Amino acid sequence: GAGVSQTPSNKVTEKGKYVELRCDPISGHTALYWYRQSLGQGPEFLIYFQGTGAADDSGLPNDRFFAVRPEGSVSTLKIQRTERGDSAVYLCASSLGPGGDSPLHFGNGTRLTVT
Amino acid sequence: AQRVTQPEKLLSVFKGAPVELKCNYSYSGSPELFWYVQYSRQRLQLLLRHISRESIKGFTADLNKGETSFHLKKPFAQEEDSAMYYCALKAIGNTPLVFGKGTRLSVIA
Repeated sequence: GAGVSQTPSNKVTEKGKYVELRCDPISGHTALYWYRQSLGQGPEFLIYFQGTGAADDSGLPNDRFFAVRPEGSVSTLKIQRTERGDSAVYLCASSLGPGGDSPLHFGNGTRLTVT
Repeated sequence: AQRVTQPEKLLSVFKGAPVELKCNYSYSGSPELFWYVQYSRQRLQLLLRHISRESIKGFTADLNKGETSFHLKKPFAQEEDSAMYYCALKAIGNTPLVFGKGTRLSVIA
């Protein structure tokens, strides 16, 4: 079946603009995760949803970052007043549940470049 | 807080040589450890997890709680093993995976 889908695959925006990144998880996966990966680094946790609610948003760097998952499926990561330091690959992953028995299935990521 | 350390950014080995990708972790509880792999132009995917005690594509990893390590090993490297490898830790409860910075494995023919 289809894997985790992320759109757009690439996004170039100017400093100060607002961006939305979309993640469409695998059907039936209740857990959804957002990670950010900067050059030369591993994936860095941002936020995790279990169903519609954010179970853990401790990784969001500041209040410019926000994510929603209103119907428990598609999620949108929103970044306000973008800064050059926000440039990274934003990865979405989903799993059947939050436990370690359910491996994460990653999307291809959205490469965000803030100029 | 949990931490995963992969000391090598790049590891180059010849085809047929043994491979060991190092991973050390910092966590006071009983962790779940994983290895994820990203081949060129592909998405990040699970390679193996310690609770399964399985061998995938010839790779194995043993959790050593005394040394807080979870090194990934393969006796004979193949060219198709060239990829980025990430060690990851999951703490007890509904907690997210914490990843290391990754090691790029390059297998030279």
